[in-house]
Amino acid sequence: GESVGLHLPTLSVQEGDNSIINCAYSNSASDYFIWYKQESGKGPQFIIDIRSNMDKRQGQRVTVLLNKTVKHLSLQIAATQPGDSAVYFCADLFMNTGFQKLVFGTGTRLLVSP
Amino acid sequence: EPEVTQTPSHQVTQMGQEVILRCVPISNHLYFYWYRQILGQKVEFLVSFYNNEISEKSEIFDDQFSVERPDGSNFTLKIRSTKLEDSAMYFCASSEARGFAGANTGELFFGEGSRLTVL
Repeated sequence: GESVGLHLPTLSVQEGDNSIINCAYSNSASDYFIWYKQESGKGPQFIIDIRSNMDKRQGQRVTVLLNKTVKHLSLQIAATQPGDSAVYFCADLFMNTGFQKLVFGTGTRLLVSP
Repeated sequence: EPEVTQTPSHQVTQMGQEVILRCVPISNHLYFYWYRQILGQKVEFLVSFYNNEISEKSEIFDDQFSVERPDGSNFTLKIRSTKLEDSAMYFCASSEARGFAGANTGELFFGEGSRLTVL
């Protein structure tokens, strides 16, 4: 069924550390995944995406890893900064009759202390 | 940078009242969505809209909900008779493309949300 979930509800790190946020999905047919950042009182903001024909994609300070064997993806944030404090959601993009909808995981709160 | 705007930012209403949440998607976008987020929970898909009709809706989007694009810029979500459990943050989103069309992922841009509180 459609299910995207996260292992940890809260992750606390020190400024400058690397952060790793994990996500598991259940639909082996899932083709496309997106990580969103949601700051308090704001809407989800696109961070990075990855398609199922890739196992790694890098952005600016962020890397997403996809392991299709175990249906797991992770978001790595290098040199975490206080401005990275937010809730991070993984989302699975479902295409049905040509229209997309996102199925979001439950979210992980990242707390960055100075 | 273009953005999706939503009004009101917060609305408080009595149970049973009608509520209309408004959104102005990014101007060249063709696909529109409503999502909601109950406090402390994940973001949930409600409905997608294209070419002046609903393209997909979730089980949450029952007969009490409706969407409309009354003019060339606004996209509205109406809840006819609000219930306590409708209290949530409602996010509008839009995308330029259908999504997953070759290299074009049809990235969704979200508004900042409208918080609905039903008393």
